[in-house]
Amino acid sequence: GEDVEQSLFLSVREGDSSVINCTYTDSSSTYLYWYKQEPGAGLQLLTYIFSNMDMKQDQRLTVLLNKKDKHLSLRIADTQTGDSAIYFCAESRDDKIIFGKGTRLHILP
Amino acid sequence: DSGVTQTPKHLITATGQRVTLRCSPRSGDLSVYWYQQSLDQGLQFLIHYYNGEERAKGNILERFSAQQFPDLHSELNLSSLELGDSALYFCASSVGDLGQQYFGPGTRLTVT
Repeated sequence: GEDVEQSLFLSVREGDSSVINCTYTDSSSTYLYWYKQEPGAGLQLLTYIFSNMDMKQDQRLTVLLNKKDKHLSLRIADTQTGDSAIYFCAESRDDKIIFGKGTRLHILP
Repeated sequence: DSGVTQTPKHLITATGQRVTLRCSPRSGDLSVYWYQQSLDQGLQFLIHYYNGEERAKGNILERFSAQQFPDLHSELNLSSLELGDSALYFCASSVGDLGQQYFGPGTRLTVT
């Protein structure tokens, strides 16, 4: 299909790891991104990965890329209440950035 | 603060009207992107400008148009507004094409 797909909701207990998954469509995409949107705010770039990488780690965030399956994931270690937000996966495609519909991460106490 | 500014923050207008949304990119960024975010459609790419030239078009209606000026700020013009145009409109900028995009705070448009 044409869309970047991700599940709409994820609930995780505080302190656990959150894993947000995404499938994208274009095997020639150069960049794949994760953005965070808190209520009432714009999108904040969390991290991105070049398509020739398999993994990228940045503090509590780990991005895994499986190019064969066009699957991207974002792992947030030790999830905190401040991580509650909508997380968007996006791919670069033909001079555009195509976003998924976002995964709403809900933190349980 | 991403360094991208958008004005106005909120806009309420009536159907049939025309509005202009403004975006100033981060200093040094040559690319500007416009997005529409609504509850039912999610985040939709509208258009991308690089150094004054249109680079890519997404799901932008013919009633909408944009431009990027020599000072690199951009305007998105929405005309013959309909109720369904009510949404958050985001601008983003990046240094070149498809690099890290930095988003502005958005303009919330309400059409009544």
